[in-house]
Amino acid sequence: SQTIHQWPATLVQPVGSPLSLECTVEGTSNPNLYWYRQAAGRGLQLLFYSIGIDQISSEVPQNLSASRPQDRQFILSSKKLLLSDSGFYLCAWSSLRPYEQYFGPGTRLTVT
Amino acid sequence: AQKITQTQPGMFVQEKEAVTLDCTYDTSDPSYGLFWYKQPSSGEMIFLIYQGSYDQQNATEGRYSLNFQKARKSANLVISASQLGDSAMYFCAMREREYGNKLVFGAGTILRVKS
Repeated sequence: SQTIHQWPATLVQPVGSPLSLECTVEGTSNPNLYWYRQAAGRGLQLLFYSIGIDQISSEVPQNLSASRPQDRQFILSSKKLLLSDSGFYLCAWSSLRPYEQYFGPGTRLTVT
Repeated sequence: AQKITQTQPGMFVQEKEAVTLDCTYDTSDPSYGLFWYKQPSSGEMIFLIYQGSYDQQNATEGRYSLNFQKARKSANLVISASQLGDSAMYFCAMREREYGNKLVFGAGTILRVKS
């Protein structure tokens, strides 16, 4: 069966520091991969999605970037964190059919 | 305009009763899909149910059913026989026939089940 991992689970970082969040998927090949952010008490906002290695689409202009160096690995990065980057970051995967997206456990990021 | 609208910020239901969580959507694409996810306090997003725009019958998954009214553009989630463990945030989401199958989420509804 498919599983999706994210780490770290929680992270506290100072403003201006770099960021690297990792997501890996097991049990499937060539998945679509997604990064979402959820601000406290709000819905999910799509940040990036990828249909293949090195194929990344950005949804929201910001100081974050994403990379997909391997088929089942998706990385969210920042060179300099802002206070507004605080939130709950969720990685998800889907296949073309069925269309359900399955989410990882998430990373709770606090920028201080 | 909002793609997905969930008008109920919060709902209460008595244990063992049924509850309906509302969701309306807006799209001009004839091919789309509608999802419901559950997010407990732990934060994980749990997939509950999916309805495709061309599906003839309403989707059901155990105690969850989706009341799909295409002409009214509504996709309400019905939870039967509520349990205390159903207390969580519930999100409605839509996939349009767009590159990457990205989802657009509503603002969510907090459900509290009372014993």
